[in-house]
Amino acid sequence: AQTVTQSQPEMSVQEAETVTLSCTYDTSESDYYLFWYKQPPSRQMILVIRQEAYKQQNATENRFSVNFQKAAKSFSLKISDSQLGDAAMYFCAYNSGGGADGLTFGKGTHLIIQP
Amino acid sequence: EAGVAQSPRYKIIEKRQSVAFWCNPISGHATLYWYQQILGQGPKLLIQFQNNGVVDDSQLPKDRFSAERLKGVDSTLKIQPAKLEDSAVYLCASSLGTGFHEQYFGPGTRLTVT
Repeated sequence: AQTVTQSQPEMSVQEAETVTLSCTYDTSESDYYLFWYKQPPSRQMILVIRQEAYKQQNATENRFSVNFQKAAKSFSLKISDSQLGDAAMYFCAYNSGGGADGLTFGKGTHLIIQP
Repeated sequence: EAGVAQSPRYKIIEKRQSVAFWCNPISGHATLYWYQQILGQGPKLLIQFQNNGVVDDSQLPKDRFSAERLKGVDSTLKIQPAKLEDSAVYLCASSLGTGFHEQYFGPGTRLTVT
């Protein structure tokens, strides 16, 4: 079974600074998909960024980018120019694609933005 | 575009009672998921539907949980009888397809079993 590990229960960063959230995963698949979701206190889970495993180029979405290391099974999220609205729980997630593609989530990292 | 709708938002029941949650996915989304999120953990998939057929229910505790998707649109998740450990947020999500497609989540239903 696939597993996703987020080793940082909580991270804190100053507003406008850069922070990196870590994620590792375990799978025997060669093709799969990785995601970072944000969950603010309102509980609404929102997709931040996604990566296809067969693409070597790291995904970027405005201030959000990933460092995808397939051999190391690592998928970290970098948030540049942190804003107060970035404060939330961040979950790393995996799915193997195909028909049964429910997400496997990590335990999450609570990101605190210091003003 | 309307998002995924869920009701109720909150529910408090006593153990051994039954409860049902309702989900209305985004129009046109063929795939629907139910996740259970226990406090302090990431969501865990309970069941996945493709139209009105079950794709994956391997983690659904079938002795007490059941789910259906009527006419491939709305879905209900039922727990009968509830246990204390069922206290969690139940999230519904939908997507256009599988794999790389984004899953859109509803606001969730917070269940407290006393």
